[in-house]
Amino acid sequence: SQKIEQNSEALNIQEGKTATLTCNYTNYSPAYLQWYRQDPGRGPVFLLLIRENEKEKRKERLKVTFDTTLKQSLFHITASQPADSATYLCALISGYALNFGKGTSLLVTP
Amino acid sequence: GAVVSQHPSWVICKSGTSVKIECRSLDFQATTMFWYRQFPKQSLMLMATSNEGSKATYEQGVEKDKFLINHASLTLSTLTVTSAHPEDSSFYICSARSFPVANTGELFFGEGSRLTVL
Repeated sequence: SQKIEQNSEALNIQEGKTATLTCNYTNYSPAYLQWYRQDPGRGPVFLLLIRENEKEKRKERLKVTFDTTLKQSLFHITASQPADSATYLCALISGYALNFGKGTSLLVTP
Repeated sequence: GAVVSQHPSWVICKSGTSVKIECRSLDFQATTMFWYRQFPKQSLMLMATSNEGSKATYEQGVEKDKFLINHASLTLSTLTVTSAHPEDSSFYICSARSFPVANTGELFFGEGSRLTVL
């Protein structure tokens, strides 16, 4: 069966450090992978999309890598800030629908 | 940017009653809308895909007679939870993909509706 696995344990880091979140998947052959941010009690917000032929994608302080051999994507936030505290979701297309991992909760402390 | 509005943001109802949740795309046409459900600390689970002018496609295990979906226009889809029971209490989130499909293929999400059934 298809699985999207994200580290369920919360990630606590100090402000200014780089946060790295992992997304592993099985039984998908994705043309692209997406990352979303979700704040408590809110709907997810799209952050980045990376295609299968792209090794790395950057947007401001965000960087995403995509290794289709390892079936893994890494999501980095550099110079993290307390405002970056949220749950980050990895998402993959299956047919017409977008499936999500459980997300990893990030807490950035001053 | 594309905005999806969901209403109500929270609702409390008695067991056995029906609740309707609206999802509107405010500044774009959404030929397809998706309804997700999210339990605490769980991932978003796709319930159904709503296509304008046709019947919704439900995911396995989702009762279509209990979760009625109507997508009557390019900007509005509704989810009605019929005869709600406490186990239906959850966070319901709609999303839409703009038409024509954006190059990024991203989904735009509503703010979610928290349903509590007493």
